[in-house]
Amino acid sequence: ETGVTQSPTHLIKTRGQQVTLRCSSQSGHNTVSWYQQALGQGPQFIFQYYREEENGRGNFPPRFSGLQFPNYSSELNVNALELDDSALYLCASSQRDRNTEAFFGQGTRLTVV
Amino acid sequence: AQTVTQSQPEMSVQEAETVTLSCTYDTSESNYYLFWYKQPPSRQMILVIRQEAYKQQNATENRFSVNFQKAAKSFSLKISDSQLGDTAMYFCAFTSGSRLTFGEGTQLTVNP
Repeated sequence: ETGVTQSPTHLIKTRGQQVTLRCSSQSGHNTVSWYQQALGQGPQFIFQYYREEENGRGNFPPRFSGLQFPNYSSELNVNALELDDSALYLCASSQRDRNTEAFFGQGTRLTVV
Repeated sequence: AQTVTQSQPEMSVQEAETVTLSCTYDTSESNYYLFWYKQPPSRQMILVIRQEAYKQQNATENRFSVNFQKAAKSFSLKISDSQLGDTAMYFCAFTSGSRLTFGEGTQLTVNP
């Protein structure tokens, strides 16, 4: 166990809907990154939050947005869901100032129908 | 942009034997870190081993070791005395900041 928890573990949404995924970072970590992992592929970087501000973004459209809270937990929001958004969404926490490795949560499996 | 390539989509090994997973990467950075992560069917991404680019000595963690060839931009993972619990998807990953770039993964199956 890494101390990084994500909720929910699974969910099913309809195309066009909006979804919010949540992540609690490991104690002592101030940075949260989100990744999308399509079936059979490696994770792709969505964005990172450091001290409540977006700090780097991958090649994802603006309908993917996020938040980080003062306790360093984070949310990933996806609007106007598309079928291709079906994937495993992984959250990773790290301590940016110390450049430590990232610790991952167990992921949220999102299915868009 | 950084890229990570894993050229072996699938590999298998007999229990107690040794297996090597390959990884190459491309970057113009001089300071960076390389990782091997393991992802079992439970989906949790678990860190196996890490290597700092400025260190010439190859990292080792118990049965896991790497062969880091900086000039060739190669970073292979050797698993000794393979165990059934090593069956998983293995991802090679690179970072020069805090964003991780992953390869496509290698599915390793350990056979009894």
